[in-house]
Amino acid sequence: DTAVSQTPKYLVTQMGNDKSIKCEQNLGHDTMYWYKQDSKKFLKIMFSYNNKELIINETVPNRFSPKSPDKAHLNLHINSLELGDSAVYFCASSPPGRYQPQHFGDGTRLSIL
Amino acid sequence: DAKTTQPPSMDCAEGRAANLPCNHSTISGNEYVYWYRQIHSQGPQYIIHGLKNNETNEMASLIITEDRKSSTLILPHATLRDTAVYYCIVRVHMEYGNKLVFGAGTILRVKS
Repeated sequence: DTAVSQTPKYLVTQMGNDKSIKCEQNLGHDTMYWYKQDSKKFLKIMFSYNNKELIINETVPNRFSPKSPDKAHLNLHINSLELGDSAVYFCASSPPGRYQPQHFGDGTRLSIL
Repeated sequence: DAKTTQPPSMDCAEGRAANLPCNHSTISGNEYVYWYRQIHSQGPQYIIHGLKNNETNEMASLIITEDRKSSTLILPHATLRDTAVYYCIVRVHMEYGNKLVFGAGTILRVKS
């Protein structure tokens, strides 16, 4: 009954490959997010979608492309993976309203060989 | 974005209250203070938020000073499971959704 679920939990792949991470939330929330936590443990927002529309797009390489087929799903596709992409990626969601808290998934640990 | 300053680490004895301070001297009048925590290998977990009044829920209490330049998160009876990194965040407001800007946080170690 996990509220925000990400798959896979672990992803090990080689440099240059293309990979996707999936995120689904069953909370009925309108807004979803992707965050990246690097080796120094800082969490930084990458993207946010509201009702399938991109609303936040931080300075992220265009190798990263989010896709929201419906408001319960926000997937992250990464092309031409680089060593620096190794990190933990967290998906989150929040309900409508300006001050609503975000609910996070347990993360996907991406390791680039 | 208003910035926050937190001590890098704190220790607390199990069963005692844990008081985690946060400075946010540049906070603007309509910005809320949020607290999240991250237990090892898990995603951040929302704890509590407030504007200017003190707030309490089943997890914690939030005390915000009258000038709103600082706040304290209180875990009334800390347990070993409360060991985590605690983040104090001033929320960046947007029309839809909100951007959480995480700092380094405070590592709270609860010891038996």
